[in-house]
Amino acid sequence: KAGVTQTPRYLIKTRGQQVTLSCSPISGHRSVSWYQQTPGQGLQFLFEYFSETQRNKGNFPGRFSGRQFSNSRSEMNVSTLELGDSALYLCASSLNAGTPDTQYFGPGTRLTVL
Amino acid sequence: DQQVKQNSPSLSVQEGRISILNCDYTNSMFDYFLWYKKYPAEGPTFLISISSIKDKNEDGRFTVFLNKSAKHLSLHIVPSQPGDSAVYFCAASEQGGSEKLVFGKGTKLTVNP
Repeated sequence: KAGVTQTPRYLIKTRGQQVTLSCSPISGHRSVSWYQQTPGQGLQFLFEYFSETQRNKGNFPGRFSGRQFSNSRSEMNVSTLELGDSALYLCASSLNAGTPDTQYFGPGTRLTVL
Repeated sequence: DQQVKQNSPSLSVQEGRISILNCDYTNSMFDYFLWYKKYPAEGPTFLISISSIKDKNEDGRFTVFLNKSAKHLSLHIVPSQPGDSAVYFCAASEQGGSEKLVFGKGTKLTVNP
């Protein structure tokens, strides 16, 4: 069974630009969560989607948004990029919502903002 | 304010000995706790969890202990193996894990042969 895939794996952008990251969950998984990992703040929850609906949202500004499609694939978008948005963005999928011990993480997208 | 704290950024132990990783939390509403392991260039992998109705959960070489009164949990790895070298994150959640996870900043464990 294929794991969680994230594209692209690496991305370099400049301040003020916007970026879209993609996550394909494990086949059959309907829940997708996004996390940001930085050296200073560690792993922080961004949002969780289940059946195309945002179920939970972390404490991030409105520049961070996401969506989930009918095939459970998810995208997150960051607009007006800031230097502090440089991070590893991780996506995780699970069969159902609210089951973190059955969550599988992807390898992440490394975003660098210059 | 950090709700989940891992105060030791790193830990080094000898192969075969016990590794003890610690985690403290401040939010008394947390009732579900998890440990994840992360190797470089990979996403975290779920290791073990514990509900607040228990004070211990065991899975092979890994045991998690929960002290609710002290708001403290620990992960014991016995015996430690070089392949256990990774960054370990503890995480906490409300409502049995159905609410968003709050992570600690991680502890880098190095197991020396």
